Amino acid sequence: GENVEQHPSTLSVQEGDSAVIKCTYSDSASNYFPWYKQELGKRPQLIIDIRSNVGEKKDQRIAVTLNKTAKHFSLHITETQPEDSAVYFCAATYNQGGKLIFGQGTELSVKP
Amino acid sequence: DAGVIQSPRHEVTEMGQEVTLRCKPISGHNSLFWYRQTMMRGLELLIYFNNNVPIDDSGMPEDRFSAKMPNASFSTLKIQPSEPRDSAVYFCASTFDRGGTEAFFGQGTRLTVV
Repeated sequence: GENVEQHPSTLSVQEGDSAVIKCTYSDSASNYFPWYKQELGKRPQLIIDIRSNVGEKKDQRIAVTLNKTAKHFSLHITETQPEDSAVYFCAATYNQGGKLIFGQGTELSVKP
Repeated sequence: DAGVIQSPRHEVTEMGQEVTLRCKPISGHNSLFWYRQTMMRGLELLIYFNNNVPIDDSGMPEDRFSAKMPNASFSTLKIQPSEPRDSAVYFCASTFDRGGTEAFFGQGTRLTVV
């Protein structure tokens, strides 16, 4: 069945450093990979996504890479700021009404 | 559009009571997901609907849980009877499924069973 593994579960970095979160998925039919940020007490919100026909996507300080052969994808945050502190979730799904499966989450802490 | 709307925001109930959580998806969205969030299990998919039809309910923990989507603008998740281990935040999310698009989450219902 579908499964998404996410690592690490917690990550602490100094302000200005980079942070990398990695995910693997099991279903080779998956072709849409979003990343969500969840601040304490709030709902998850999309920060970036990537589709299977693209290997990398960047939006200002965040970027996502995808390796379909190895079935893994990663989130990269550069020049981290304290407001980046949150829980980040990766997810995988496939088109045409497929279910959206989340990884276990990474709690990122950015220390000033 | 006001986004995905869930009610109630908070629910405290006694063990054994029936609990009904409600969700109104974004108009035009045709996929709806129910998730349970706990510290230990992250965002756990319980069930999802496509075009009002339940597609996969393999995440529903047991027969005490049931979900319905009678029309495109309303869904319910019911727990009967409730147990303390059901305490969690329950999220509903909706998306338009063509091409893999952003899923929008409601604000969640924080359920406490005492």
